[in-house]
Amino acid sequence: QKEVEQNSGPLSVPEGAIASLNCTYSDRGSQSFFWYRQYSGKSPELIMSIYSNGDKEDGRFTAQLNKASQYVSLLIRDSQPSDSATYLCAAPQGGTSYGKLTFGQGTILTVHP
Amino acid sequence: SAVISQKPSRDICQRGTSLTIQCQVDSQVTMMFWYRQQPGQSLTLIATANQGSEATYESGFVIDKFPISRPNLTFSTLTVSNMSPEDSSIYLCSVGLMGTEAFFGQGTRLTVV
Repeated sequence: QKEVEQNSGPLSVPEGAIASLNCTYSDRGSQSFFWYRQYSGKSPELIMSIYSNGDKEDGRFTAQLNKASQYVSLLIRDSQPSDSATYLCAAPQGGTSYGKLTFGQGTILTVHP
Repeated sequence: SAVISQKPSRDICQRGTSLTIQCQVDSQVTMMFWYRQQPGQSLTLIATANQGSEATYESGFVIDKFPISRPNLTFSTLTVSNMSPEDSSIYLCSVGLMGTEAFFGQGTRLTVV
């Protein structure tokens, strides 16, 4: 089993809808999780980090962490066409710090007008 | 966040040759990381570049193929040696700040012909 998994295939939502992106992880010792957004041809950009159980909100983005279920999600409210990108879930490798990360496969999000 | 400058941004290389990618950070960082992103895939960590010691390579990556230098706390290079078309990927430099968050350079898009 991969350490970080994003099983959902491409996601298409209409403009203004809520986009829900999901991620599971295998290492129960993982303490922090990150969501990156990657536009085509660009490098990943950090959009959310979450360190404790529950929800963390930042503008239209909400990250949710459930350590008991080993589940992380990202909700994008009022989705815009500019949100169309690949979203990558990541966790530190082996509990290390300083940016040594394992990434999920990514979920391609398309927001159509 | 850190400002990470990576060059070249793209290159087309002949098989059998080598390419050195440079990564410059605008602040001193303890560790720098090199990732590979093959076409349509997620990011895979190649190695951790440690200042003052040899790089630490992940499973499946070897020093002879991907030699790394880290002469100071703001600079690193990755060389892709004896290239084949399978090496065609995006190569990304990253640094970890504020605990475990990682930030990325703009990437080097390598095409081997």
